[in-house]
Amino acid sequence: SQQGEEDPQALSIQEGENATMNCSYKTSINNLQWYRQNSGRGLVHLILIRSNEREKHSGRLRVTLDTSKKSSSLLITASRAADTASYFCATPTGANNLFFGTGTRLTVIP
Amino acid sequence: DTEVTQTPKHLVMGMTNKKSLKCEQHMGHRAMYWYKQKAKKPPELMFVYSYEKLSINESVPSRFSPECPNSSLLNLHLHALQPEDSALYLCASSHGGGIEQFFGPGTRLTVL
Repeated sequence: SQQGEEDPQALSIQEGENATMNCSYKTSINNLQWYRQNSGRGLVHLILIRSNEREKHSGRLRVTLDTSKKSSSLLITASRAADTASYFCATPTGANNLFFGTGTRLTVIP
Repeated sequence: DTEVTQTPKHLVMGMTNKKSLKCEQHMGHRAMYWYKQKAKKPPELMFVYSYEKLSINESVPSRFSPECPNSSLLNLHLHALQPEDSALYLCASSHGGGIEQFFGPGTRLTVL
């Protein structure tokens, strides 16, 4: 299976702290994506990092990719209550598929 | 318009009912997807349409029947569902495979 495993499964932090979540995957990829899902809603694409990139930034988000370890991390800096959501990594497989990781549920306490 | 819309938002149906879920996008995307998501689980791919043709069916039971009437619309016809089919059904679209997907808000389905 291509599906990624994420850890931690759940993370609770105070507002203003940084949150780090990790994703591991099993086979070679050409990119890895991170999505956010607010409770019971659709997913929102956050960032895509290509296999030849090691680090990418977008606002308060920092993503790293280590293809030798088949792992990625998502760092959210200076967290806000509005960052409370589930975060999924996703890896493409085949022509049109994305396989989603197991997800990390982040709670940011005001 | 960068939005994927889904109707209805909520649906409650009995096991003998026939209903349909609808999805629409006007971003010119050529790939459209149906996912099923159970609580606290990741989305699971059900179907992929590419250029209005079904390209992937992830061994989904025949009580789920997808339809792509045109490049902007995607339907999921439901018939004789089971209570375990209760879930959030998500539609998504993208320009192509393996890249950013745009998701609708989902339909929360309850089968009684």
